[in-house]
Amino acid sequence: GDSVTQTEGQVALSEEDFLTIHCNYSASGYPALFWYVQYPGEGPQFLFRASRDKEKGSSRGFEATYNKETTSFHLQKASVQESDSAVYYCALGVSGGSNAKLTFGKGTKLSVKS
Amino acid sequence: GPKVLQIPSHQIIDMGQMVTLNCDPVSNHLYFYWYKQILGQQMEFLVNFYNGKVMEKSKLFKDQFSVERPDGSYFTLKIQPTALEDSAVYFCASSLRTGADTGQLYFGEGSKLTVL
Repeated sequence: GDSVTQTEGQVALSEEDFLTIHCNYSASGYPALFWYVQYPGEGPQFLFRASRDKEKGSSRGFEATYNKETTSFHLQKASVQESDSAVYYCALGVSGGSNAKLTFGKGTKLSVKS
Repeated sequence: GPKVLQIPSHQIIDMGQMVTLNCDPVSNHLYFYWYKQILGQQMEFLVNFYNGKVMEKSKLFKDQFSVERPDGSYFTLKIQPTALEDSAVYFCASSLRTGADTGQLYFGEGSKLTVL
């Protein structure tokens, strides 16, 4: 079945550090790829998506580029802030038929200290 | 932005009892979902629902689980009877179109279920 792998379970950074969270996927079809963010006590929130190879998604300074060759969608941010501390989920969705759902990775907890 | 409300936020029950988790989705949304998250683990798809019917369910959606949305009111997840392994946080989500086509699932804050 479809799956998403996030390499890092936890990431600890200082403010203004560069962030990379690795996401790799496996899917039977041509998936759309997503990043969601979850703050403490809240549900996951949509961050952005990309639907085709080499497309870049971005929001709030975060970005990721769809790479079909390496089956990756790594999240990056040039300069993190303490307010970015949250859990980040990579997800995939395959359109059509009954596949009207998203498959999530295990999440990466980002902690940023000032 | 649009909000999905979940009631209760936390419920503790004895094994074998019935529990109903309620979800008030975004008002004009058409697709509804339940996800299950055991502490420290990933969110796993349970079921999605459209036009009064279950569209797809995962292996985690046991026979003891049921969903409904009577007369456009709450979208509910009922577990009867509950088992210890049902302890988890259950997230409800809704979307205007199918999640794979838009990606814009709106999630509630979760209902934490503890089965003793």
